Amino acid sequence: GESVGLHLPTLSVQEGDNSIINCAYSNSASDYFIWYKQESGKGPQFIIDIRSNMDKRQGQRVTVLLNKTVKHLSLQIAATQPGDSAVYFCADPTLRTGGKLIFGQGTELSVKP
Amino acid sequence: EAGVAQSPRYKIIEKRQSVAFWCNPISGHATLYWYQQILGQGPKLLIQFQNNGVVDDSQLPKDRFSAERLKGVDSTLKIQPAKLEDSAVYLCASSLVPEFNEQYFGPGTRLTVT
Repeated sequence: GESVGLHLPTLSVQEGDNSIINCAYSNSASDYFIWYKQESGKGPQFIIDIRSNMDKRQGQRVTVLLNKTVKHLSLQIAATQPGDSAVYFCADPTLRTGGKLIFGQGTELSVKP
Repeated sequence: EAGVAQSPRYKIIEKRQSVAFWCNPISGHATLYWYQQILGQGPKLLIQFQNNGVVDDSQLPKDRFSAERLKGVDSTLKIQPAKLEDSAVYLCASSLVPEFNEQYFGPGTRLTVT
């Protein structure tokens, strides 16, 4: 079936470096993606979203890139801080009729001081 | 603005026992969701309410799981009887409108079935 998933289950970066978290999807009809951040002991928190009519969208220290040709999106975090340590999920609401929010498995980002 | 409240935060039960989780959404949010998050995985939607009506419960194991939102505000999720594979974090989320980027999650209830 259709799926959305991240490439690496864990990512470790040095504080101050940039982080890149990748996600691949299989449904060519997908037109909307969301990135969530989940800190330990908390529920997921919306970070940024992107629609398929865009290749790039920027937020505060975060940028999401969408490559529809290879069905790939990435979340870039600039100047990674210890507070960025969390599990990051990409989600595709278009996988099922009615647009249910389907989460990938997540990438755990660890920031080394 | 107060967030989504859930209780209890942790629960340990033996298999075949019953358990109930409670959720109080953000005031005024008409849409309420229950998700199951197994360790190492992303959340999976169990049921979605719009006010006190069920919008989608296609992934709810109805032989053992039940949920209600009688007055369109608070909601309870029950498991009876619990199985080992029900060990997970149960997340409640709410939204003013059923738009995906508008969902606000509670801290979750961590259930351990032994």
